[in-house]
Amino acid sequence: QSALTQPASVSGSPGQSITISCTGTSSDVGGHKFVSWYQQHPGNAPTLMIYEVSKRPSGVSNRFSGSKSDNTASLTISGLQAEDEADYYCSSYTSGSTYVFGSGTKVTVL
Amino acid sequence: EVQLLESGGGLVQPGGSLRLSCAASGFTFSGYAMNWVRQAPGKGLDWVSSISDSTYYADSVKGRFTVSRDNSKSTLFLQMNSLRAEDTAVYYCAKSPYGGYLGGGFDIWGQGTMVTVSS
Repeated sequence: QSALTQPASVSGSPGQSITISCTGTSSDVGGHKFVSWYQQHPGNAPTLMIYEVSKRPSGVSNRFSGSKSDNTASLTISGLQAEDEADYYCSSYTSGSTYVFGSGTKVTVL
Repeated sequence: EVQLLESGGGLVQPGGSLRLSCAASGFTFSGYAMNWVRQAPGKGLDWVSSISDSTYYADSVKGRFTVSRDNSKSTLFLQMNSLRAEDTAVYYCAKSPYGGYLGGGFDIWGQGTMVTVSS
């Protein structure tokens, strides 16, 4: 199972919006609703930010939103803040009852 | 508070074995599928294994790693045999959000335990 494709880095100024893409195949991202997104700050464990493509766990800011079109999922961070600077990973359940992660995207707040 | 605490990591020679544990608290452990995810130094996240009614493995560890659980002790295990240098990583245990079903991703993560495979 190949990793999902994410841009290596995305940057934006405080207050701006940025979008991170996550491209897979019809066997994973395009095949169902089980796409999730994780935020990881250096030295820390990942934290769930979005599940089932667009749902936010309680406690996650509504500045984070998710969507999907065909084989590509997207995470949008609006009103970018310094604390959003981190690595972001997408993940998808697959038709083979396994999981696959994206390659990861480093978000930099300019 | 829902918590996961991994242990058992360390330095092991290539070809050796190691058993990781993940102690869970704050939720009904037996009611949830559980997972192992690893992260090599400076690299991305890599799914390793999941356990619900059945067990599931990444191709890279199939036949070498075995996931199991002791619901009476709220503990998840990962038995790792025939270890290779490329297995060097922080190993996280993570809880599935949908009870005993897979698919929902990973809603709670432990802090991880480091496994280093080197001679």
